[in-house]
Amino acid sequence: DQQVKQNSPSLSVQEGRISILNCDYTNSMFDYFLWYKKYPAEGPTFLISISSIKDKNEDGRFTVFLNKSAKHLSLHIVPSQPGDSAVYFCAAGNGNKLVFGAGTILRVKS
Amino acid sequence: DAGVIQSPRHEVTEMGQEVTLRCKPISGHDYLFWYRQTMMRGLELLIYFNNNVPIDDSGMPEDRFSAKMPNASFSTLKIQPSEPRDSAVYFCASSPPQGASSYEQYFGPGTRLTVT
Repeated sequence: DQQVKQNSPSLSVQEGRISILNCDYTNSMFDYFLWYKKYPAEGPTFLISISSIKDKNEDGRFTVFLNKSAKHLSLHIVPSQPGDSAVYFCAAGNGNKLVFGAGTILRVKS
Repeated sequence: DAGVIQSPRHEVTEMGQEVTLRCKPISGHDYLFWYRQTMMRGLELLIYFNNNVPIDDSGMPEDRFSAKMPNASFSTLKIQPSEPRDSAVYFCASSPPQGASSYEQYFGPGTRLTVT
């Protein structure tokens, strides 16, 4: 039973354009959500998070949107850069335990 | 400041052998997590500790897997006997005391395990 789903295995975007990565969850008890970025042969690194009491959080080029009624969150990267090419994991949590999605491979073409 | 340290980075072993993966969390962090990443299942939590005590081991696949945390600076994940289906990348992560951050976890570089 996948509680956190990233339905797009991969996404390809032109440099300078917007990248939108999506994530759906099923457990309404999740109270915070995070995005991680992972390069090959490295561990995931934290990118941005959002609490369930908010619907938007921005950090530079990265914005996370949360739609609680739809149990959906998205990560927007504007503008996309070649260095953003990586695997992006969505994660949701309640307490200290995180549930991760399967990841989306983002390729930013120059 | 050193991040989470894992060893070895790569491990190749034969089916039936015992495998021990090691992790040193970030100093001051009191939560430690073990994850496994596979193509089929993505990143799944195996077990986590708080103040060296196992809190939730519901993700441990079977009795062949065991984890210990004898002190605040060291944890092991052991597989005995190992099987080819255990081949995966195993990550260790740590996080600071609850309430100190947004539950962000800091990951090590991972151990790539291959069981032949």
